[in-house]
Amino acid sequence: EDKVVQSPLSLVVHEGDTVTLNCSYEVTNFRSLLWYKQEKKAPTFLFMLTSSGIEKKSGRLSSILDKKELFSILNITATQTGDSAVYLCAVEARLNGGTSYGKLTFGQGTILTVHP
Amino acid sequence: NAGVTQTPKFQVLKTGQSMTLQCAQDMNHEYMSWYRQDPGMGLRLIHYSVGAGITDQGEVPNGYNVSRSTTEDFPLRLLSAAPSQTSVYFCASSYRGRGQPQHFGDGTRLSIL
Repeated sequence: EDKVVQSPLSLVVHEGDTVTLNCSYEVTNFRSLLWYKQEKKAPTFLFMLTSSGIEKKSGRLSSILDKKELFSILNITATQTGDSAVYLCAVEARLNGGTSYGKLTFGQGTILTVHP
Repeated sequence: NAGVTQTPKFQVLKTGQSMTLQCAQDMNHEYMSWYRQDPGMGLRLIHYSVGAGITDQGEVPNGYNVSRSTTEDFPLRLLSAAPSQTSVYFCASSYRGRGQPQHFGDGTRLSIL
């Protein structure tokens, strides 16, 4: 059974702090790992990672994948109150033993709270 | 360009009632899927479709039906609602090609009494 585990489950920091969110996985027929940010409504896409060791960066957010050790980290530097959200990690794998991909297995999410 | 649109946003049902959650996308995405999100459990895949006329079961399909008669629409039917189906439901869509992330609708919050 595919499994994705995120840690910590919740985190409280102050503005300006740097945070690291962790995601480990056990998935058959892995294709990619995705990070989403969820505020009050829809998860919004942050990063898709397919290759080990290549950092993806967007502003203050960055992420990297280690396919040998089966984990990924999401870093947020100089946090702001607007970064408060649930951060979801998901791993994409093949659909039901077929040749198509698209099955996402999600972790429980990390609740990040940034205080002013 | 509206993206992924889900209706209704909120719904309260009585046990045993049936209803359909609507999902539409205007991006010509081949792949569409339904997830449910419960506290402490992340999102779980209910059903998915890789194109019009093709659907298959995900991780938690029991109690739900889907159909995909057009590329744009992917409704989710609850046949006989049960309290265990109280959840937030998300529809997502994407292109089938490599490197195409799934995009989510705003969700439907469903309560079964």
